[in-house]
Amino acid sequence: KQEVTQIPAALSVPEGENLVLNCSFTDSAIYNLQWFRQDPGKGLTSLLLIQSSQREQTSGRLNASLDKSSGRSTLYIAASQPGDSATYLCATFKAAGNKLTFGGGTRVLVKP
Amino acid sequence: NAGVTQTPKFQVLKTGQSMTLQCAQDMNHNSMYWYRQDPGMGLRLIYYSASEGTTDKGEVPNGYNVSRLNKREFSLRLESAAPSQTSVYFCASLEGLRRDEKLFFGSGTQLSVL
Repeated sequence: KQEVTQIPAALSVPEGENLVLNCSFTDSAIYNLQWFRQDPGKGLTSLLLIQSSQREQTSGRLNASLDKSSGRSTLYIAASQPGDSATYLCATFKAAGNKLTFGGGTRVLVKP
Repeated sequence: NAGVTQTPKFQVLKTGQSMTLQCAQDMNHNSMYWYRQDPGMGLRLIYYSASEGTTDKGEVPNGYNVSRLNKREFSLRLESAAPSQTSVYFCASLEGLRRDEKLFFGSGTQLSVL
């Protein structure tokens, strides 16, 4: 059974600092790994998707890396802004039943 | 383009009452999911439907039933609500044909069972 872990559960940084969010998973037989953002009281929005054959994906200030052999992914957010304050979740996708398994999320606060 | 629509947004039930959460997507997606989100527990899969006409149990199916009414709609039913089912429920969908597809979520239903 896939287990996905995100540590730390919460993170507070001053504006302008780079954010590093970690995600680890136990079963490396995945199709892809996705990073999501969730604002309070809202649904989840997909930020980046890394296929199992890829090492990283970039979108603007966001960069996500994937190391399947070690079961780790990292989301980097450059030059953080107060608008980046949210909960960030990672999820692995396996082919069997098209199921995603989520981590518990990291709650980020960027202080002005 | 509405994406994934969930109704209702909020609901309060008494223990033992029943209700159905509705979900519809307009993206012609094959796969649909129901998750619940609880503090400190992340999102846990309740049931999913990999394609129209099929449904399967997820991680926490007890106390729930689902119906994939057609390709667009996937409903979640609580037959006899319990306080342990107080949670935020999310419906999600994806096309289900390729490895690089992103999952789309509805805005959630906040359910309280008293």
